[in-house]
Amino acid sequence: QKEVEQDPGPLSVPEGAIVSLNCTYSNSAFQYFMWYRQYSRKGPELLMYTYSSGNKEDGRFTAQVDKSSKYISLFIRDSQPSDSATYLCAMSVGTGGFKTIFGAGTRLFVKA
Amino acid sequence: EAGVAQSPRYKIIEKRQSVAFWCNPISGHATLYWYQQILGQGPKLLIQFQNNGVVDDSQLPKDRFSAERLKGVDSTLKIQPAKLEDSAVYLCASSPGQISYNEQFFGPGTRLTVL
Repeated sequence: QKEVEQDPGPLSVPEGAIVSLNCTYSNSAFQYFMWYRQYSRKGPELLMYTYSSGNKEDGRFTAQVDKSSKYISLFIRDSQPSDSATYLCAMSVGTGGFKTIFGAGTRLFVKA
Repeated sequence: EAGVAQSPRYKIIEKRQSVAFWCNPISGHATLYWYQQILGQGPKLLIQFQNNGVVDDSQLPKDRFSAERLKGVDSTLKIQPAKLEDSAVYLCASSPGQISYNEQFFGPGTRLTVL
């Protein structure tokens, strides 16, 4: 069993839709949860960063962490064609970027 | 602020040949990472440096891969000899290195094809 599971998609939605992206994990010691966005032929860039359980909102993006279920989500409201990318969840036990484990990424297409 | 620089962007070699990748992190960033991203998978950490010391190289195939970070700035990753399964994008990332900081800044990657 992988430490971090993420559905690779692809996920195709119309412009303006609400998108839900999810990851599950097996290591209960994970405390730091990140979502990275990766455009084609580019490196990943950090979108959201959450410590422990709870919600965090930044503009059209909301990250949720449910440690009891070992489940994290990223919601994108009013999705735009420019949101078309691969979304990678990532998590770590400690800070300082030590032993960050990435999911496989979900490929998202937003159709105009 | 300039981002993480990597070169070359693309490399095609035959199996059993050698190849080297170069990374220049963001100025002042103490921590440097090398990741391997195989098509359809997430990045997998190969090695993490803190300044010029190795923090974690547990997933680096040391029989063929080597990495160094001279003077705690630039870094090179070498594969010798390459295998077909080494075909991947090699990503370099850096971070300030503060213990409370988790964001990693990634370069564009080097796409390696081994024939």
